[in-house]
Amino acid sequence: KAGVTQTPRYLIKTRGQQVTLSCSPISGHRSVSWYQQTPGQGLQFLFEYFSETQRNKGNFPGRFSGRQFSNSRSEMNVSTLELGDSALYLCASRTASGNYNEQFFGPGTRLTVL
Amino acid sequence: DAKTTQPNSMESNEEEPVHLPCNHSTISGTDYIHWYRQLPSQGPEYVIHGLTSNVNNRMASLAIAEDRKSSTLILHRATLRDAAVYYCILRRSGGYQKVTFGIGTKLQVIP
Repeated sequence: KAGVTQTPRYLIKTRGQQVTLSCSPISGHRSVSWYQQTPGQGLQFLFEYFSETQRNKGNFPGRFSGRQFSNSRSEMNVSTLELGDSALYLCASRTASGNYNEQFFGPGTRLTVL
Repeated sequence: DAKTTQPNSMESNEEEPVHLPCNHSTISGTDYIHWYRQLPSQGPEYVIHGLTSNVNNRMASLAIAEDRKSSTLILHRATLRDAAVYYCILRRSGGYQKVTFGIGTKLQVIP
């Protein structure tokens, strides 16, 4: 079974631009979560989607948004990029059926904002 | 949301046991204790989880204090491949939660 895939793997943008990152979950997984990882803050929760609906959201500004499609693939968008948005963005999928189960993480997208 | 506290870093000699501590004094009765680890240049991967009783799997053991306010991840015999950042998190069994992994414990394994 293929793992979680994220595209692109690396991205360089300039301040003020916007960016869209993509995540394809493991087949059969209906929940996708997004995280931001920086050296100082560690791994911070952005949001979780299940059945095309955002189920929970972390403490990030409205510039960070996401969506999920009917095939469970998810995208996250960051508008008006700031230097501080430079980070590794990770997505994770899980089946989300019944009790909590483990998350499977993708390799991440490394975003650099210049 | 209940929080966890871990040391920023630890060292271990290769082939010796490693005990990684985690404090979660505000844990609720429905919170499971989960451990993940992140190898260099990879996303985190699941290691183990438990509720009240100690747990063992092929990767590690999880020892949970009787009052559940702390837990310890035990790697029985550290190898160089175990050098990673280890995260301890709390999650309820169902529903959707804001779970932040934080900084974790960076484990260095010395040959």
